[in-house]
This record gives sequence, C-alpha cells and structure tokens, in this order.
Amino acid sequence: EVHLLESGGGLVQPGGSLRLSCTASGFTFSSYAMNWVRQAPGKGLAWVSTITGGGDTTYYADSVKGRFTISRDNSRNTLYLQMNSLRVDDTAVYYCAKATDYYDSSGHIDFWGQGTLVTVSS
Amino acid sequence: SSELTQDPTVSVALGQTVRITCQGDNLRRFYASWYQQKAGQAPVFVMYGQNNRPSGIPDRFSGSTSGDTASLTISGAQAEDEADYYCQSRDSGGNHKVFGGGTRLTVL
Repeated sequence: EVHLLESGGGLVQPGGSLRLSCTASGFTFSSYAMNWVRQAPGKGLAWVSTITGGGDTTYYADSVKGRFTISRDNSRNTLYLQMNSLRVDDTAVYYCAKATDYYDSSGHIDFWGQGTLVTVSS
Repeated sequence: SSELTQDPTVSVALGQTVRITCQGDNLRRFYASWYQQKAGQAPVFVMYGQNNRPSGIPDRFSGSTSGDTASLTISGAQAEDEADYYCQSRDSGGNHKVFGGGTRLTVL
C-alpha cells in the first residue's frame, strides 16, 4: 500500500524559511517522479513543483520559482521542499503526491499524502 | 491560455446522472486527470486519459473529452460522491501541471 507522510509544516514569519519532508513507503520510490501541490485555506489545488525519479530534472510553478527548491534522497525514500523568502500568500496545506512514471510523462498524480500546513504570518 | 475552467457548483438528485466539465485550450493536446476531494481529506485520483478509472474507483464514474472540454460523468450519483472535483492537465510546454478551480458537487 502506498503511503506518503509529510512533515515540517508550521508557523513562520514572512521572509523566513521552512523545509518540508515527505517519507514514502509501499512502492519503489526511485522509480517515480514526485510532486508538491498546495491548497490555500478555502481555495483550490495549485501545483508547486515536480522532480523526476532520479532527481536530475525539476520543474516549478512561476509563483515559487527562485524561492523554492525540490529535491529527493532515494536512499531514504524521502522528498523535500526547501521554501525560502516565504510570503503570506504561500500559506497553504502542502501535499506530497506521487506521479505514475519516472519522468512524469503522463502528468497524472495517483497518490497523495495527507498534507502539512504551512502558515506564513507575522 | 493554460487555464482550466470549471463550474464552481453543480448539484444532482440522488441516483441521477451528473456531468462535471472542464474547459481549456490545452485539452486539445493533453488529456485531463480528475481528482475527488471530500471535506477535510486529501484528493483521490478518480479518472485519467480518455476514460480510464484507477483501481478501486466505482464504474459509475466515467470520463470523456471533446475538443477543448473534458467531462467527468457520475451515473447514479450516491451520497458519498458529494465532494469537490478538480480537473488537471498540463500547460502548453507540457512540463507544468495546471488545475481547474474545482467544482463542488452537492447530492440532493
């Protein structure tokens, strides 16, 4: 059974930094691209970033490019999101989400974690 | 445009059929995926491609695409189908994902 467990969320001041982690189990982690998707309170889903299975290729939404960095440690089955220069509008639940293939060729997400809440406020 | 447009709210009587639509230029090139999100829960993958259901999704869910519009149809809606539904596809470059604004389905 696929399981994705996010951690690292919390309250941070504007301009601050936070690192999210997602520990995966139930599948061969290194064989699949991974994503971060966020959801602001009361709002819809918004894609944040994608990383291929080997970690050599990454993609970012324009709203976070240059501030957020996605990475992975396949030896630890863990996905990360380093978030710098945080803004109030980054406040959201951040979901770790599994792609259906190594390169994310299909563009689908087949499993989601339960999410971790990031609140950016002074 | 890379945007995906969904009706904000849709309602259906118990046991009836409902279609949830998603419109966007890039749907002429890329298929949509669909996700169901119940209150307070993480999204669940319910449809992909032209009409493909992930394992465990009831066969009352079906999908289709015509031109720039993708549709998710629930035939014989159940009370447990009440949720927010999001379509998702890719931008013109193919590497960035795009979500629709979501449709809140109410089962009366």
